[in-house]
Amino acid sequence: SSELTQDPAVSVALGQTVRITCQADSLRSYHASWYQQKPGQAPVLVIYGKNNRPSGIPDRFSGSSSGNTASLTITGAQAEDEADYYCNYRGSSGDHMIFGGGTKLTVL
Amino acid sequence: QLQLQESGPGLVKPSETLSLTCTVSGGSISSSSYHWGWIRQPPGKGLEWIGSIYYSGTTYYSPSLKSRVTISVDTSKNQFSLKLSSVTAADTAVYYCAREVGSIDHSIDIWGQGTMVTVSS
Repeated sequence: SSELTQDPAVSVALGQTVRITCQADSLRSYHASWYQQKPGQAPVLVIYGKNNRPSGIPDRFSGSSSGNTASLTITGAQAEDEADYYCNYRGSSGDHMIFGGGTKLTVL
Repeated sequence: QLQLQESGPGLVKPSETLSLTCTVSGGSISSSSYHWGWIRQPPGKGLEWIGSIYYSGTTYYSPSLKSRVTISVDTSKNQFSLKLSSVTAADTAVYYCAREVGSIDHSIDIWGQGTMVTVSS
């Protein structure tokens, strides 16, 4: 089965830049999506497609990819960015979706 | 603005079937632009995609759950539903219904608030 690997936890100093990665077990034909989830809340889409932000998502969030690794970058992390972040792709066969295990971001 | 609301029992006995319904408001489930899906999250764990359905009834399921999952749609009620059979304690989770968008890069742009389902006798 397809797998997406994320670091379980990452920390960043307030105002600094952090990159959260999502490594796929094989090269993907599709772009990853990224979700932010705060405790007790439903996830929120923050990046989709090549590097698109839904309305209302600050421009400090950006997405990129290289080989089989997708990245979410937060440039100038804020206290409110402390959350769990999940990547998500269409599966290799294209007929299902998979999530990475999630990364807990701590803003120091 | 489009909203999704899950409903169904919060407690299910082991070996029985979990049934949830998602009501779509503020928009039509019959739009050709979207799929409608279910995602779950066990307590303290990550997200797991369960499956999704197109308004025409075409379904897509997670390979790991495919044998136990049925997703259906009722366009007249603007609802779609999840059935998960033969549940065990491992199926205890918050269940989210959601809208999937994108013809190539699927993403989930709208989520319901989620409903907790506990499997216990």
